[in-house]
Parts: sequence; C-alpha cells; structure tokens
Amino acid sequence: GENVEQHPSTLSVQEGDSAVIKCTYSDSASNYFPWYKQELGKRPQLIIDIRSNVGEKKDQRIAVTLNKTAKHFSLHITETQPEDSAVYFCAASPPSYNTDKLIFGTGTRLQVFP
Amino acid sequence: DGGITQSPKYLFRKEGQNVTLSCEQNLNHDAMYWYRQDPGQGLRLIYYSQIVNDFQKGDIAEGYSVSREKKESFPLTVTSAQKNPTAFYLCASSISWGENTEAFFGQGTRLTVV
Repeated sequence: GENVEQHPSTLSVQEGDSAVIKCTYSDSASNYFPWYKQELGKRPQLIIDIRSNVGEKKDQRIAVTLNKTAKHFSLHITETQPEDSAVYFCAASPPSYNTDKLIFGTGTRLQVFP
Repeated sequence: DGGITQSPKYLFRKEGQNVTLSCEQNLNHDAMYWYRQDPGQGLRLIYYSQIVNDFQKGDIAEGYSVSREKKESFPLTVTSAQKNPTAFYLCASSISWGENTEAFFGQGTRLTVV
C-alpha cells in the first residue's frame, strides 16, 4: 500500500521568509496530492492540491510542486506570516477506481516568528 | 462550520468499556473516513466507507468497529480490545466514488481512557 513520508517534522522561520515542506510517496500509481493545514485546536482544512497530470500549482503565497519520476511533492509558502503557524499535512491518494482514501504524512509543525 | 459534525468533543471512558463516537454529515458525500491523530504520527486511517452498507479496514483497524447504515452517518466504536485508545479522533467525508476530491473534516473527538 501507499506510504507517505514528510519532512521536516518542525520548521521555524522568521516572518517574511519562505518555508518548504517535502513529502515522498511510495505508490507510483497515486494521482492526487492534497495539503492540509491544521491550526491549533481546529480541524484540518485543505489549502491546496495537485493532480498527477500537473507539475506545479500556485495559489497566492502557496505553491505545490510534483515530481512524479522521483515520487515527491513539496509545499512552498512565501512571505510567511504569523497566521501561517500551524501543522501541515501532505497526503497521497491511489487511483480512485477501487479505493478512495487518503494516506497522510506525519505532519510538519510550522512556527513563524514575528 | 457545518457540514460534518462529530460528537462529543471530549469523551472519557473507563478501561474495559466500549464507547461510540458519532459522525454525521449533511454534504451528501458518499465516502466517509475515520482517522486517529497522535502526536508525531500524523493521521492514521482506521476505517473508511465508500458507500452505504460497505466499509473497509484502514491501517489500524484492530480494536475498532464501524457501521454505515445511512449515508449521513458513520459511527466508530472503540472497543475494549483497543490497547491504547486515548487519542484524538477525526472523521472526514468526501464526495466520491471515482474522483479523488477534497476531504472535509469534523472538529474531532478527544477520547481519554481513565
């Protein structure tokens, strides 16, 4: 089955700097890669996702890149702000014709210092 | 917040007792999931259901049981066979069968065994 590894487990940056979180996956058939943000005491919420037919996707200050050959994908946050502080989870999903489930990474706790 | 609701928010259980966590959604989603969240271990899949009257084991199903008698409801029972049940439990749902899409999470239930 699919296995997702996420690094780093914690990340501290100064406000205005960029943050990068990386994930690798094991199942080359996986074709959907979302990123979730979980603020303290709240539920995880989708912030951006990418499908395997796309190499990069951007939404304002966040972007995700996907390298299918290497089986890794990354979240990039530019011009970080204190409200970006949260735990971020990557996930991978195998083809949905038989199973429709997300396998999550272990999370990255991002702290943005003012 | 609406959409997917978990109850209760906090739950205390004595050792040896079964306990059932509620998850209800009014999003008309086919797929529902239960995840367990422990510090440093991300979100681990317990059970998932792609359609009414059908469910599948996830990665850590031992000591848990579920039912899916209605599309809107996917309750999780933590049985006395679960050796380490203290954790934060998250329920999620997504539209479909056939297309990987965003998972919407409930606000979670924190279960403590006393």
